[in-house]
Amino acid sequence: SQKIEQNSEALNIQEGKTATLTCNYTNYSPAYLQWYRQDPGRGPVFLLLIRENEKEKRKERLKVTFDTTLKQSLFHITASQPADSATYLCALPNNAGNMLTFGGGTRLMVKP
Amino acid sequence: NAGVTQTPKFQVLKTGQSMTLQCAQDMNHNSMYWYRQDPGMGLRLIYYSASEGTTDKGEVPNGYNVSRLNKREFSLRLESAAPSQTSVYFCASSAVYRAGNQPQHFGDGTRLSIL
Repeated sequence: SQKIEQNSEALNIQEGKTATLTCNYTNYSPAYLQWYRQDPGRGPVFLLLIRENEKEKRKERLKVTFDTTLKQSLFHITASQPADSATYLCALPNNAGNMLTFGGGTRLMVKP
Repeated sequence: NAGVTQTPKFQVLKTGQSMTLQCAQDMNHNSMYWYRQDPGMGLRLIYYSASEGTTDKGEVPNGYNVSRLNKREFSLRLESAAPSQTSVYFCASSAVYRAGNQPQHFGDGTRLSIL
């Protein structure tokens, strides 16, 4: 069966360090992968989209990698700040291409 | 510029009651979606509307109906609410319907409890 795995345990890091979140998937062959941020009590907010032919994509302090051989995407936040504390979701299209499926998310806590 | 607006924000129902969740977007998007989010389950697609006049089932459609009222509005109806439908419901929209390469814009959700 198709599965998207994100670490369900919270990631706690110190302000200024780089946070790295992992998204692993099985039985998918996605052409795209997306990352969203979700704050408590709010809806997800789109951050980045990466295509299968892009190994890496950057936006300000964010960097996403996409390894279709390992079936994994890594999401990095450099120089992390307490304001980066949130839950981060990865999402990819199902193999039928008719819906976007989401991982369960990883909660990031950045401590001052 | 409100984006995606959902009403109500909170609702408590008794088992067997019906209700309609409303969603409207002001971004002139063609496609709209309804998700539910449960602890440990992530976001799951209930129904979607690729364009005005069309609706299709998602991953978990049982117990729900939808109406794409016009390009702006997409409603979700629970005909006979059950405790298993206690969840947070999110509406989303995207410019066009491409499952993978279109960002989705979400509302802030409706928190629904069914007793």
